[in-house]
Amino acid sequence: AQSVAQPEDQVNVAEGNPLTVKCTYSVSGNPYLFWYVQYPNRGLQFLLKYITGDNLVKGSYGFEAEFNKSQTSFHLKKPSALVSDSALYFCAVRDLLTGGGNKLTFGTGTQLKVEL
Amino acid sequence: EAGVAQSPRYKIIEKRQSVAFWCNPISGHATLYWYQQILGQGPKLLIQFQNNGVVDDSQLPKDRFSAERLKGVDSTLKIQPAKLEDSAVYLCASSLVLGGSGANVLTFGAGSRLTVL
Repeated sequence: AQSVAQPEDQVNVAEGNPLTVKCTYSVSGNPYLFWYVQYPNRGLQFLLKYITGDNLVKGSYGFEAEFNKSQTSFHLKKPSALVSDSALYFCAVRDLLTGGGNKLTFGTGTQLKVEL
Repeated sequence: EAGVAQSPRYKIIEKRQSVAFWCNPISGHATLYWYQQILGQGPKLLIQFQNNGVVDDSQLPKDRFSAERLKGVDSTLKIQPAKLEDSAVYLCASSLVLGGSGANVLTFGAGSRLTVL
């Protein structure tokens, strides 16, 4: 089965500073990778995905992610953090189902806290 | 477009009682998912429908959980009897298609928070 790992439970960063939320993956074949964000009492919202092509993927709200095959990583980044970016971030990978089709398998999440 | 609707938003029950959650996906989305999100963990897929057929329910505890999507639109997830460890947020999501590359984006509802006492 495919899996992703988010090594940090929480990341703290000052507003205006760059932020990075880490994700590593373990897949057989080509990885399809995703980032979702969850605000309090809300469902998960899609940020961006990597399927193929350029290793730097741009997404919503100024976020981007860098796919690194040699390091099996897909870190989420933003050049300048905002207090409103404070939320729970999930990395996810396409996983294949036994009977065909596919599903998303999520990491454990990283709580991002941006402080003034 | 309207999002994925879920109800109720919150439910508190005693163990061994039953509960049902309802989901209305985005219009035209053929695939519907129920995920369980326990505090401190990532969402875990319970069941996946394509129209009104089950694609995967390998992670669904079938002795107590059941789900249906009779007309290929709305879905209901039921727990009977509930256990303490069922306390979680139950997320419903939908996407346009099931197959293809697997690059489909899921749209999630706000979730139904269950507390079992």
